[in-house]
Amino acid sequence: GAGVSQSPRYKVAKRGQDVALRCDPISGHVSLFWYQQALGQGPEFLTYFQNEAQLDKSGLPSDRFFAERPEGSVSTLKIQRTQQEDSAVYLCASSPTGGPDEQYFGPGTRLTVT
Amino acid sequence: GESVGLHLPTLSVQEGDNSIINCAYSNSASDYFIWYKQESGKGPQFIIDIRSNMDKRQGQRVTVLLNKTVKHLSLQIAATQPGDSAVYFCAENTGRRALTFGSGTRLQVQP
Repeated sequence: GAGVSQSPRYKVAKRGQDVALRCDPISGHVSLFWYQQALGQGPEFLTYFQNEAQLDKSGLPSDRFFAERPEGSVSTLKIQRTQQEDSAVYLCASSPTGGPDEQYFGPGTRLTVT
Repeated sequence: GESVGLHLPTLSVQEGDNSIINCAYSNSASDYFIWYKQESGKGPQFIIDIRSNMDKRQGQRVTVLLNKTVKHLSLQIAATQPGDSAVYFCAENTGRRALTFGSGTRLQVQP
């Protein structure tokens, strides 16, 4: 069956540009998570959706980061006015339930801000 | 692909040996733990999980041990194979649904 997919896989942006990263979770999965992974580090939580509701956005590093999941399936992470420190791999994960459960990760989008 | 874990602690083992990867977790209230494997250029891949009401769980070639007294988690891989080479992360659920990941250990399997 299809896993979590993310697009694009690689994105190069000039400083100040806006970017949009897409996540297609596993069909029917209730929960969707975004994580940021810097080189040599473990993933760090950004935000969490249960269906279309964004229940936790405490990990978003600034108000330049915005995420949405309007129909409870596909999600988009948008970063406005990108900065060099935004360079990282952005990982999306989905989970079948709303409780503590195995999270299935996509391959990530590697963002490089020049 | 991107290289994961350039400056991580490294465990180097011979093919066929058993590997033990350790992790100290941070929150005594955490009730769910997962081990993930991450290969270069890929997302984390689930290996095994354990809930806090257990102290041991076995999968195929892998065993996870949980010691809540000292907040320690370990992953044992039996008969390590070259395909096991990757970065391994422990992750804990602290009650907010998102996972908190440890810093990772690189496992290198020498043929």
